Amino acid sequence: DVKVTQSSRYLVKRTGEKVFLECVQDMDHENMFWYRQDPGLGLRLIYFSYDVKMKEKGDIPEGYSVSREKKERFSLILESASTNQTSMYLCASSLASYGYTFGSGTRLTVV
Amino acid sequence: GQQVMQIPQYQHVQEGEDFTTYCNSSTTLSNIQWYKQRPGGHPVFLIQLVKSGEVKKQKRLTFQFGEAKKNSSLHITATQTTDVGTYFCAGKGTYKYIFGTGTRLKVLA
Repeated sequence: DVKVTQSSRYLVKRTGEKVFLECVQDMDHENMFWYRQDPGLGLRLIYFSYDVKMKEKGDIPEGYSVSREKKERFSLILESASTNQTSMYLCASSLASYGYTFGSGTRLTVV
Repeated sequence: GQQVMQIPQYQHVQEGEDFTTYCNSSTTLSNIQWYKQRPGGHPVFLIQLVKSGEVKKQKRLTFQFGEAKKNSSLHITATQTTDVGTYFCAGKGTYKYIFGTGTRLKVLA
């Protein structure tokens, strides 16, 4: 089974801090995604990547950046964390147009 | 932009009753996927539908893709407590998937 591993399950950061969320997948998937999940708003796409060193903005990229230096790793960066970025962050990977495999999520609280 | 709406937002059923959630897109979809997220868990891929009018079954779950490829439904027959969770559809438009807001199912024993 494909495994998508997110580095932290829970994270508490202060306003203004730079935050790194790491995601690693072990099945050589080309596609990787970062979503945030908020009650009533569903899953919203932040950034995605179809190849190494390639990135595309999703629907809500403001305040975020990403890095994909290796195929298996896709990092989400909050340049200066704000309280409105408190959320559940979900990483996913997929092969071509097949179903996504999600990680367990990182619940980030910005205080 | 492309939108995917899902109804109802919440559904409470007695164990043994049937349940249906509906997914509607503002644009034609190339395919649609369904996911289940258990409470406290992450979304897990259930199935993908590609063809117009396609119907697929997984045990008590029946998935349909509309003829116009703009809507889809998930029907659960005789719900069980293990069916509890949020069901999401994800429709593929031009180049990416858009997730619906989900239907949260609660099954009362």
